[in-house]
Amino acid sequence: QVQLQESGPGLVKPSETLSLTCTVSGGSVNNSYWSWIRQPPGKGLEWIGYIYYSGSTKYKSSLKSRVTMSVDTSKNLLSLKMSSVTAADTAVYYCARERSLSFDLDYWGQGTLVTVSS
Amino acid sequence: SFELTQPPSVSVSPGQTASITCSGDKLGDKYACWYQLKPGQSPVLVIYQDTKRPSGIPERFSGSNSGNTATLTISGTQPMDEADYYCQAWDSNTGVVFGGGTKLTVL
Repeated sequence: QVQLQESGPGLVKPSETLSLTCTVSGGSVNNSYWSWIRQPPGKGLEWIGYIYYSGSTKYKSSLKSRVTMSVDTSKNLLSLKMSSVTAADTAVYYCARERSLSFDLDYWGQGTLVTVSS
Repeated sequence: SFELTQPPSVSVSPGQTASITCSGDKLGDKYACWYQLKPGQSPVLVIYQDTKRPSGIPERFSGSNSGNTATLTISGTQPMDEADYYCQAWDSNTGVVFGGGTKLTVL
């Protein structure tokens, strides 16, 4: 059973960079796509982007200029960086596995709340 | 860009059938899936590839997708099914797209 666990600072100052990691256990990051998704308080789910185990990425167009995803296959680690954050980036951030054939997200982390505030 | 539209809310009486729709341009040409999201929990995939149920998802959950509309149907709705439901599809230009979510109330 694949398990994902997000971790990182729960509080980030405006204009700074949000950095999160996602540890994958019970399976390998290899041969899979890995997505990051967020949910602002009281709002819906928003896809941020995905990274393939090879390192290729696709980001949501509106976030592309601020987002960087990376993968460490030796450690089964994923990372998300989002620069120049504002209060609008306050959300619960999830990592999830995206299946390549049907593009659904079958395994999710428990999510981590990131608050952007001074 | 590709968008998916869901009704903000749906109400159903216990034991009755709930239907939640998801609309998008030529959605039937893509795979649609559905997630259940309860407060304080992670999303759970309840339907994938339009009609398939993951292991552990009750048979009362079913899905369809044709034309511009995908539908999640919950037969014999139980109080435990009260949650937010999100449809999702993939667009080659936009990437993963979520609907706005539907709050299902069982009363």
